[in-house]
Amino acid sequence: GNSVTQMEGPVTLSEEAFLTINCTYTATGYPSLFWYVQYPGEGLQLLLKATKADDKGSNKGFEATYRKETTSFHLEKGSVQVSDSAVYFCALITSYDKVIFGPGTSLSVIP
Amino acid sequence: GAVVSQHPSRVICKSGTSVKIECRSLDFQATTMFWYRQFPKQSLMLMATSNEGSKATYEQGVEKDKFLINHASLTLSTLTVTSAHPEDSSFYICSVRHRSNNEQFFGPGTRLTVL
Repeated sequence: GNSVTQMEGPVTLSEEAFLTINCTYTATGYPSLFWYVQYPGEGLQLLLKATKADDKGSNKGFEATYRKETTSFHLEKGSVQVSDSAVYFCALITSYDKVIFGPGTSLSVIP
Repeated sequence: GAVVSQHPSRVICKSGTSVKIECRSLDFQATTMFWYRQFPKQSLMLMATSNEGSKATYEQGVEKDKFLINHASLTLSTLTVTSAHPEDSSFYICSVRHRSNNEQFFGPGTRLTVL
């Protein structure tokens, strides 16, 4: 079946540090891959996406590249800010199937 | 992106009462909406798929008689938690799927607390 695995948190970084949150997936077919962000007490916001192999999604300084050979979609940011503190969810969807979410990774950025 | 609203954003109710949560797609028509539940510090778990004009499809382990879903129009789906109990306290989030690109847009969520 389809599944998403993320690195366990919580992750605590100092401001301006480099961020990597690992995400790997198992899926039949050719899924689209997403990163969602959830700020405290709020719903989910789409951060970035990639729909085919080797695509790179990017937004607000965050990037992730769809790697079919390693079935990965790791999230990176070169310099995090306090405002990036949130929970990050990796997710996939295959054709018209349901969205499958990873367990989420909590990020805290300290000044 | 699409705009999805939920109402109410927070609700506190007594055990045994029923609570209705609305999910609206504000700027496009959605034949399919999804309802998720999220417990503290956990991921989203899909509860059911809401289909306009037909019965909802529930995930395994979700009681359809307890979580009533009505997708009455192309822009509105409602989730009613019947005879709510404290263990139903959770964050309920809906999403809509855009037919053109298969992207999903999420509502801001409804925090339900059952006393």
